[in-house]
Amino acid sequence: NAGVTQTPKFQVLKTGQSMTLQCAQDMNHNSMYWYRQDPGMGLRLIYYSASEGTTDKGEVPNGYNVSRLNKREFSLRLESAAPSQTSVYFCASSEQVAYGYTFGSGTRLTVV
Amino acid sequence: EDKVVQSPLSLVVHEGDTVTLNCSYEVTNFRSLLWYKQEKKAPTFLFMLTSSGIEKKSGRLSSILDKKELFSILNITATQTGDSAVYLCAAVPSSNTGKLIFGQGTTLQVKP
Repeated sequence: NAGVTQTPKFQVLKTGQSMTLQCAQDMNHNSMYWYRQDPGMGLRLIYYSASEGTTDKGEVPNGYNVSRLNKREFSLRLESAAPSQTSVYFCASSEQVAYGYTFGSGTRLTVV
Repeated sequence: EDKVVQSPLSLVVHEGDTVTLNCSYEVTNFRSLLWYKQEKKAPTFLFMLTSSGIEKKSGRLSSILDKKELFSILNITATQTGDSAVYLCAAVPSSNTGKLIFGQGTTLQVKP
C-alpha cells in the first residue's frame, strides 16, 4: 500500500543548481499534481497533469518544469534554484477529485 | 478569482476545550468542500461536504457546509493533544481539471 511516493525527503541546494523531484503513484490514478506549501500561504498549485501525456500550469509555475513520464510518474524540475523556491513540495494524485487527493509525504527543499 | 479563506490562522487551546474552525469560499461552479488534517507530513483526508446543512461526523470531529452563505465549519469537541495539527479546507470546482483550491490553513495547538 505505497500510495504516492516522493523522493527525496530533504534536499539542500545552492542558488543556481538544478534538481528533479520524483513522484510515483501505484493507484492507477489519471491525475497528478505538484504543490508547494509555505507558511501562511496554504498549498499552491505549481503544475498538474490531468492525464498521461498532458501537463498544465497552476498558480505558481515560474521557475519549474514538469514531465509526466507515464501514468505512474510525474516529476518536477528546478532548472536554476532560487532562495524563493525554499519550500515544502507535495505531490498528489487523484482519480475523482471530488474525493480529494492522496498526498505524498513531501520534500523539504532549502535553497541557500 | 476563486479563493478560500480560513480563520483563525492559528489557535491555542487546552485539552478538553471545544474549537470551531472556519472556512469561507468564493468559487465559480462550486462542487464540494474538503477538510484535511496535516500533522508532520502529508495532509490526510477528514471530510467531504457536498450538500448544505448535512453534518458529517467522525468521533469528536464534525463539519457542516452552508452553500447559501458560502462557508463551512469544522468542530472538534473535547480536544486532545493529538488534535494539534494544521487543518486545511479546499474547494472543489465543477471543472474536470482536478485542481483543488486550498485555504491558508489553521494551525491548532492543544496544550495539556
